Amino acid sequence: GESVGLHLPTLSVQEGDNSIINCAYSNSASDYFIWYKQESGKGPQFIIDIRSNMDKRQGQRVTVLLNKTVKHLSLQIAATQPGDSAVYFCAERGTTDSWGKFQFGAGTQVVVTP
Amino acid sequence: DAGVIQSPRHEVTEMGQEVTLRCKPISGHDYLFWYRQTMMRGLELLIYFNNNVPIDDSGMPEDRFSAKMPNASFSTLKIQPSEPRDSAVYFCASRVAGEGGLAKNIQYFGAGTRLSVL
Repeated sequence: GESVGLHLPTLSVQEGDNSIINCAYSNSASDYFIWYKQESGKGPQFIIDIRSNMDKRQGQRVTVLLNKTVKHLSLQIAATQPGDSAVYFCAERGTTDSWGKFQFGAGTQVVVTP
Repeated sequence: DAGVIQSPRHEVTEMGQEVTLRCKPISGHDYLFWYRQTMMRGLELLIYFNNNVPIDDSGMPEDRFSAKMPNASFSTLKIQPSEPRDSAVYFCASRVAGEGGLAKNIQYFGAGTRLSVL
């Protein structure tokens, strides 16, 4: 049969609420992770990164949490705004990979409602 | 800084035609990456260069795809002959060297070229 395209998971968030976007990564040897934001018609844009020797890192309105035990990464956005509507990707780098090579997740569509 | 510049933004061509996508990285960046994004496969790394030298081209789908970087400020991705399954958004990204610091691993993406092969 015909293959279907990826159906991105969608997170609907009310403006002003906090958002939590989850990512399960595949390689237990991955040592570095990045979150990207991609708005419609644009390229991915860096949000925040974290190394595997950390479990939390904070930026402006964003926090990344890393749980290596269950290979889980999350991005928390505080006080979500309409401009936060986008697709969010996590990316991982395996320790055997060069610093150029990242594996990107499928992405999560975030829709901010008024 | 103008950021990573890609051209054209949109390309519509017929099956069998040659397609050339262009990229100008951010000045001073010595890594350049080509990605392809589709709904089926998400964002895939095709090839990347360091100091104009191809480092890893294992993501290039087949011999119909080729990429060059003749100098530090210009790169091309060529598809010859093009096929409908090549239809996708192609992104170019660049970054500075220096893997040790967290901030230096950030890749800056261009706006992409949307390719449609009919």
